[in-house]
This record gives sequence, C-alpha cells and structure tokens, in this order.
Amino acid sequence: AQTVTQSQPEMSVQEAETVTLSCTYDTSESDYYLFWYKQPPSRQMILVIRQEAYKQQNATENRFSVNFQKAAKSFSLKISDSQLGDAAMYFCAYRTDTGANSKLTFGKGITLSVRP
Amino acid sequence: NAGVTQTPKFQVLKTGQSMTLQCAQDMNHEYMSWYRQDPGMGLRLIHYSVGAGITDQGEVPNGYNVSRSTTEDFPLRLLSAAPSQTSVYFCASSPTYREETQYFGPGTRLLVL
Repeated sequence: AQTVTQSQPEMSVQEAETVTLSCTYDTSESDYYLFWYKQPPSRQMILVIRQEAYKQQNATENRFSVNFQKAAKSFSLKISDSQLGDAAMYFCAYRTDTGANSKLTFGKGITLSVRP
Repeated sequence: NAGVTQTPKFQVLKTGQSMTLQCAQDMNHEYMSWYRQDPGMGLRLIHYSVGAGITDQGEVPNGYNVSRSTTEDFPLRLLSAAPSQTSVYFCASSPTYREETQYFGPGTRLLVL
C-alpha cells in the first residue's frame, strides 16, 4: 500500500524568507502523480503544485517549486519570498496512474506559520 | 460556474440520527469522491464514483452510503451517526478518474454528540 509521510508537524518562516516542506512516500508503482495542497483556515483545499513522476523536470508555480527525487521517493516543496498569506496547513498527496480505483493518499500535513 | 459545492457547512447530530451531506458540481466531471479529515490523520477516502450509476468503497466506508444518480450530484448518507463520525467532510471531483487533479469543495463540519 502507498504511504505518504510528512515528518514535520510544524514549521515557521520569516516573511520574505524561503522555507522547504518535506515529504516522502512509499510505492512500488513507476507511474504516479504527486501533489501539494494548501489548506488555509477557511478549510478549502487548494492545489498548489503537481508533479508527474515520468517528468524529470521539477514543477514550478510562481514562488512554489518542488524538489522531486524519484529514486529517494522524496517530494519537497520550496516556498520562496514567503508571504503572510502562505500561512496554512500543507498536505503532500500521491495518486497512482492506473485504474478506476486510483485514489489520492494524503500525508498528515504540516502547519506553516509566517512571522512578520 | 460554481465548481464543487457542499451543504450544509456545519451540522450537529445526535448519536443514532441520520443525515445526508450534499455535494454537487457543475463542471460535468465524471469522477467524484468523499474524504474525511480528522486531526493528525490527513484526508482519507470514504467512497468514490467514476460516473453516474457507479460507486465504490474507499479506505473508510463503514457507516456511510453513497449513490450517484446524476453526473452532478454525489450525496453522502450517514444512516446512524456515531461520535466517531465527527469530522470535516470534503467532496472532490475531476473530469475523469484518469485526471490526476481533483477539485475540492469547501467542506462540511459534522459534530456528532
């Protein structure tokens, strides 16, 4: 069974600085997708960034980028120029590429606080 | 285009009561799913549907029923609520089950006393 591990329950960053959130996963599949979701206090789940496992290039979305290490099964999120609005809970998630029963498996999340 | 909508936003139930959490999407998505979120647990899949008339169980289906009579709606039913079902429930959808990105509704917070 696939598992997603976020070992850091909380992190803090100074406004305008850079922070990296860690995620590791376990799978025997070769094709899959990885995601980072943001959950602000409103509870809405917002997709931040996604990565296809078959792509070697790391995904980037504005201030958000990932460091995808397929062999190490690691998928970290880097937030540059942190803003107060980045404060939220962040979830790493995994989804296989096969079958109608392909589902999202989430990590337990990490709470990010941003210090002004 | 409202995306994925959920009602109610918050509900209090007594043990043994039944209720239906509503989920609707106006994006003509084939794939819909229900998750529950508990503190320190992340999100866990309850049930999912790959199209109208087709549903299947996820990780934690016990105590919940679903049906999918239309593409737009995917209600989640609690037949006899238990305190262990106190949670935040999210509905999500994607164009097909092959689409990797799911779009989430705003969530329903349920408290079972």
